[in-house]
Amino acid sequence: SQTIHQWPATLVQPVGSPLSLECTVEGTSNPNLYWYRQAAGRGLQLLFYSVGIGQISSEVPQNLSASRPQDRQFILSSKKLLLSDSGFYLCAWSFPGGGNSPLHFGNGTRLTVT
Amino acid sequence: GNSVTQMEGPVTLSEEAFLTINCTYTATGYPSLFWYVQYPGEGLQLLLKATKADDKGSNKGFEATYRKETTSFHLEKGSVQVSDSAVYFCALSDHRSGNTGKLIFGQGTTLQVKP
Repeated sequence: SQTIHQWPATLVQPVGSPLSLECTVEGTSNPNLYWYRQAAGRGLQLLFYSVGIGQISSEVPQNLSASRPQDRQFILSSKKLLLSDSGFYLCAWSFPGGGNSPLHFGNGTRLTVT
Repeated sequence: GNSVTQMEGPVTLSEEAFLTINCTYTATGYPSLFWYVQYPGEGLQLLLKATKADDKGSNKGFEATYRKETTSFHLEKGSVQVSDSAVYFCALSDHRSGNTGKLIFGQGTTLQVKP
């Protein structure tokens, strides 16, 4: 069966510091990968998605970037965090091909920028 | 563009009450529809899905029917429990995006069930 791991679970970082959140998937090959952000009391905003190694699509312009150095590894980064980057970050995967395949989410990372 | 609209919460019910959470969508083509549940401090879990018109998704006592004529996918449960307290998200697949599998989510509806 497939599993998704996301870490760390919580993170408190000062403004201007760098960020690296990591997500890995096990039990499947060439998954589609996604980073979503959930601001307090709000819905989910898709930040990045990837359909293959080195292929990253950005949904919204922002202070963040994503990379996929390996087939089942997805990293969310920032060089300098802003207060507005605080939120709950969720990594997800789906089977390749999209369409009817649901997304499967990790447990999320609670990021607080102080 | 494609979008999902959910009823605003929070929804507060007593245990064993009937639940309806409304979800309507706007989409071109024939999207698949999903309901996800998020328990406090956790990620989202797939609750149920429907892939074509008139399909009924069901799981753990929850049901939703894909109604193309009313562009709706309302979530229902006949008798809620305290353990059902969570945030519920309606979502649709964005078929315009080809093989990316992106989902568009509603804003979420918080359900609180009191004993």
